[in-house]
Amino acid sequence: EPEVTQTPSHQVTQMGQEVILRCVPISNHLYFYWYRQILGQKVEFLVSFYNNEISEKSEIFDDQFSVERPDGSNFTLKIRSTKLEDSAMYFCASSFTESLNQPQHFGDGTRLSIL
Amino acid sequence: GESVGLHLPTLSVQEGDNSIINCAYSNSASDYFIWYKQESGKGPQFIIDIRSNMDKRQGQRVTVLLNKTVKHLSLQIAATQPGDSAVYFCAETPPNYGGSQGNLIFGKGTKLSVKP
Repeated sequence: EPEVTQTPSHQVTQMGQEVILRCVPISNHLYFYWYRQILGQKVEFLVSFYNNEISEKSEIFDDQFSVERPDGSNFTLKIRSTKLEDSAMYFCASSFTESLNQPQHFGDGTRLSIL
Repeated sequence: GESVGLHLPTLSVQEGDNSIINCAYSNSASDYFIWYKQESGKGPQFIIDIRSNMDKRQGQRVTVLLNKTVKHLSLQIAATQPGDSAVYFCAETPPNYGGSQGNLIFGKGTKLSVKP
């Protein structure tokens, strides 16, 4: 069964450094999402992306964050200057359409640890 | 009940018993709901979904019930197996998305522990 893949599985970065998290969505999917999950807490929406532009973003997704689809397969999340509170699991998700019969499928996440 | 920080509500069941996991959602106008299962070290895995124009939907060994009157969602797992042990999240679509998913709002999760 096709799946969303994320790399790396664990990223350790010094505070203030830039980090790029990578995702390969399911190949025929058109809608892409990033979520994050701070340890022990619920999954929180960050941003959705369609047709090479952001569809919606949450309050968490401030100017330090950006997303890009640099080619036909990758979808990246960049954090420009990381803070301690950015430490979390970051999940990429994709869906074929936005319709209600096509649920979002999630990758296994990247654990981001900011030192 | 509600969880705070690292403390998730936990449901412990015996293998072979039925499990019922409950979720109170936030917005009475939400029109799409999903249950996800999250195993340790993995991402949320889709289990079953339901639209607001339904009150029950069945899958393989799972049933979702929706009570819009009290904004309550439940997931029933029949003949629970050790492999069902995980954290279960409900998620809802905010009402401003009409017929689309939009971003998902997740609940805080319930940890299901299955004893062999």
